[in-house]
Amino acid sequence: QTVVTQEPSLTVSPGGTVTLTCASSTGPVTIGHHSNWFQQKPGQAPRALIYSTNNKHSWTPARFSGSLLGGKAALTLSGVQPEDEAEYYCLLYYGGARVFGGGTKLTVL
Amino acid sequence: EVQLLESGGGLVQPGGSLRLSCAASGFTFSSYAMSWVRQAPGKGLEWVSGITEITGSTYYADSVKGRFTISRDNSKNTLDLQMDSLRADDTGVYYCVKGTQNVDFWGQGALVTVSS
Repeated sequence: QTVVTQEPSLTVSPGGTVTLTCASSTGPVTIGHHSNWFQQKPGQAPRALIYSTNNKHSWTPARFSGSLLGGKAALTLSGVQPEDEAEYYCLLYYGGARVFGGGTKLTVL
Repeated sequence: EVQLLESGGGLVQPGGSLRLSCAASGFTFSSYAMSWVRQAPGKGLEWVSGITEITGSTYYADSVKGRFTISRDNSKNTLDLQMDSLRADDTGVYYCVKGTQNVDFWGQGALVTVSS
């Protein structure tokens, strides 16, 4: 069974920069995994941020960026705002099936 | 404006069945693959099933394979999820999602509770 692993929690100061990562138990994450990133705040449905590794949706703030880093998918937030405090999930594609990571709770403190 | 409206959630006993539906609007439904994603109370997201736009090829998570069936009606712009042999660990909010490889829009979710 494929497992996708994210940091359970991270803390960042307002205005700072933080990178969240997403690793696959099958090996390095590549562009073929079409990694997606989502933000979810309490009581709300998830909101899409990034698709196909590094592409932003029209509504994605410029401070969010996606990449591949050291064999993992990565989401970097630069100039973090208080409203960025949320749970973040990655999603990887495995040729049909998809698997979510366990999520990273980002605290802005 | 893209809208995905789930319906059909509710309380069902273990071993029972339930059918979720998703009414899509604001985009050309037949041009997009669609998915179902669920979230157990206080837990993370779990991809459940996906269906392609034209051929209707289907994909399932191991946890639901053989029990759940995804289908779509491109003439009515609807996506369905037939859930059979339901178990307590199927409890959660079920989201209708536009896309499979690249996901953009999510519905607000339908709550499914499996309990005696």
